[in-house]
Amino acid sequence: NAGVTQTPKFQVLKTGQSMTLQCAQDMNHNSMYWYRQDPGMGLRLIYYSASEGTTDKGEVPNGYNVSRLNKREFSLRLESAAPSQTSVYFCASSVGAGNTIYFGEGSWLTVV
Amino acid sequence: DAKTTQPPSMDCAEGRAANLPCNHSTISGNEYVYWYRQIHSQGPQYIIHGLKNNETNEMASLIITEDRKSSTLILPHATLRDTAVYYCIVRVHGSGNTGKLIFGQGTTLQVKP
Repeated sequence: NAGVTQTPKFQVLKTGQSMTLQCAQDMNHNSMYWYRQDPGMGLRLIYYSASEGTTDKGEVPNGYNVSRLNKREFSLRLESAAPSQTSVYFCASSVGAGNTIYFGEGSWLTVV
Repeated sequence: DAKTTQPPSMDCAEGRAANLPCNHSTISGNEYVYWYRQIHSQGPQYIIHGLKNNETNEMASLIITEDRKSSTLILPHATLRDTAVYYCIVRVHGSGNTGKLIFGQGTTLQVKP
């Protein structure tokens, strides 16, 4: 049981490039989330998906798009990367409201 | 904004109990209290959660005051591997709500030999 799996683990981008962070969970969870964590900071919610087919903005959605591809997969896309998007990105999932949220191991993104 | 307030840092001697406080004075009736920890920028690890009753599992105990405005996470016998940033989070529970987490700054717990 892998839990929440994120790819890639490390990525370096040039300013203006685009990329997609992939996330998959094998726990049959309904809700999925993307967070970012900047050095010395707590996690901030970027987008979340309550269930397949729905997505909503979190605290810091600007510069990002998401797709809930199916129940298992929730991707985060940077259309035109900026240095301010250099961060560690965490994907997470939960059965639903009021249930424990489980996190992936993170994706380290550097934009130069 | 985070709805919780935690001290930025705490120390604890190895083998002793670590008591981490959290204030959540504006907590609503349908909000749970969750605790996570994060070690060396790994993914946050779930520890425990509760609504109004005290809770205990293999990792920790959670004590919630009767008015639910504050709580304490207790690690009964802290080890060096418990050194981490601990996050106290309140989370809405209810149908139709994702119960998304809003992280604050957390408490950095340093367990010392």
